[in-house]
Amino acid sequence: DTGVSQNPRHKITKRGQNVTFRCDPISEHNRLYWYRQTLGQGPEFLTYFQNEAQLEKSRLLSDRFSAERPKGSFSTLEIQRTEQGDSAMYLCASSFSSGGEQETQYFGPGTRLLVL
Amino acid sequence: GEDVEQSLFLSVREGDSSVINCTYTDSSSTYLYWYKQEPGAGLQLLTYIFSNMDMKQDQRLTVLLNKKDKHLSLRIADTQTGDSAIYFCADPSGGSYIPTFGRGTSLIVHP
Repeated sequence: DTGVSQNPRHKITKRGQNVTFRCDPISEHNRLYWYRQTLGQGPEFLTYFQNEAQLEKSRLLSDRFSAERPKGSFSTLEIQRTEQGDSAMYLCASSFSSGGEQETQYFGPGTRLLVL
Repeated sequence: GEDVEQSLFLSVREGDSSVINCTYTDSSSTYLYWYKQEPGAGLQLLTYIFSNMDMKQDQRLTVLLNKKDKHLSLRIADTQTGDSAIYFCADPSGGSYIPTFGRGTSLIVHP
C-alpha cells in the first residue's frame, strides 16, 4: 500500500474559476477526511465520510464547497467560484474505524491551491 | 469550543533534547496525538497516548501527559537535523474522532 495520495499536488487558478481535487485513501479504510491548512496554522476540519456517506461538515465548508465519495473509495473536493481566501493547502486523511475509541488518521501530501 | 495551544518556535543544538509543549482545554479525550510535518508535505503520525497513561516512550520519543493541568509534552532525545519540522499536538475532543490541531511548533535544529 502506497498510502494516501492526492492530485494534483499544486493548482494555480484565477479567481472565479472552479477547481476539483482528488484523494485516494489507503485501500480498505472506511473513513476519509478533508482538512484545510493555511500558512502558520494547523489543519482545520472540513468534512468527513464513512464509506460513501458524508457524516459531518464544518462551518468552514461554505456552499461553494462540495465533496463526494461516490463508491466509498476515492473522494473529490470541488470549490466553485474560487476566491483569494481559498488559497491554502487541502489535506486528505483516511482511517479504519471499527467503532472502537482509537482511530489513527493517515494524511496525504496535500494539494496546494493558489487563487490569483 | 476546543482550544489547543503550542509555542510557535523551538531552537535546539544537534544532540540536545527537545521538549515541545501543548495545552488543551477539552478533558474528555481518550487519547491525544503528536504529528510531524516536513516542508511541503502532509502530516505524519509520530505517536499517541491514551488518557489513562502518564507517559509513553517510543525510541527517542517520550510523551508526558498531565491530565490535571491539561498539558501534553513531546521530548525528542538526541535531536538530529532530520528532526527539523513542524510538530502538531492534536486532541480528538468531545467523543469525536475529529482532532483539533494546535498551530504547530517549528523545531529548528542547528549544528
